[in-house]
Amino acid sequence: DTEVTQTPKHLVMGMTNKKSLKCEQHMGHRAMYWYKQKAKKPPELMFVYSYEKLSINESVPSRFSPECPNSSLLNLHLHALQPEDSALYLCASSQDAGNNEQFFGPGTRLTVL
Amino acid sequence: SQQGEEDPQALSIQEGENATMNCSYKTSINNLQWYRQNSGRGLVHLILIRSNEREKHSGRLRVTLDTSKKSSSLLITASRAADTASYFCATDPDTGKLIFGQGTTLQVKP
Repeated sequence: DTEVTQTPKHLVMGMTNKKSLKCEQHMGHRAMYWYKQKAKKPPELMFVYSYEKLSINESVPSRFSPECPNSSLLNLHLHALQPEDSALYLCASSQDAGNNEQFFGPGTRLTVL
Repeated sequence: SQQGEEDPQALSIQEGENATMNCSYKTSINNLQWYRQNSGRGLVHLILIRSNEREKHSGRLRVTLDTSKKSSSLLITASRAADTASYFCATDPDTGKLIFGQGTTLQVKP
């Protein structure tokens, strides 16, 4: 299985809602990533988990809270988001956090009203 | 801030022609990768070239790397309509960090 899956595909939420994005991989990868991508822009790194521990936080606001329950799962908990947080959220995984090929999921299209 | 800059920003060619995209970066790297993204979807890894390599081929793809100029190019030969996508270079200024260039949007007309 060489696939990274993400749910949901689309999410619309209000600024007072709490929601979660989910990501799963069964390739035995030990590094997982969250990226944010605005329209017509490149993906921007948000968080890196290595062996289930948070290793990089790119100064992301605390309204985004990542969680790695086990080596196959990665969540992104959302709370009190702003309309400017609307974007495509991409999850990726790689064999480890070294300089390896990353496998991307299809993304969750998030709209904050 | 993004490390990589790509040019051109947009490229439109006819099927069968070659497409060349360039990427420049600012800091030292361990390797440079190229990814493709179809509209609104996830990225697909195309090719990785290590800092001690100068050229690499994969099917219709040819990548070059010039570390002295901090630049790379991606050549797609005999392009097809299915190659229509955005192409991003990505560099690794730190372990675990992948920084993407601004991307080149390629349109291949049938």
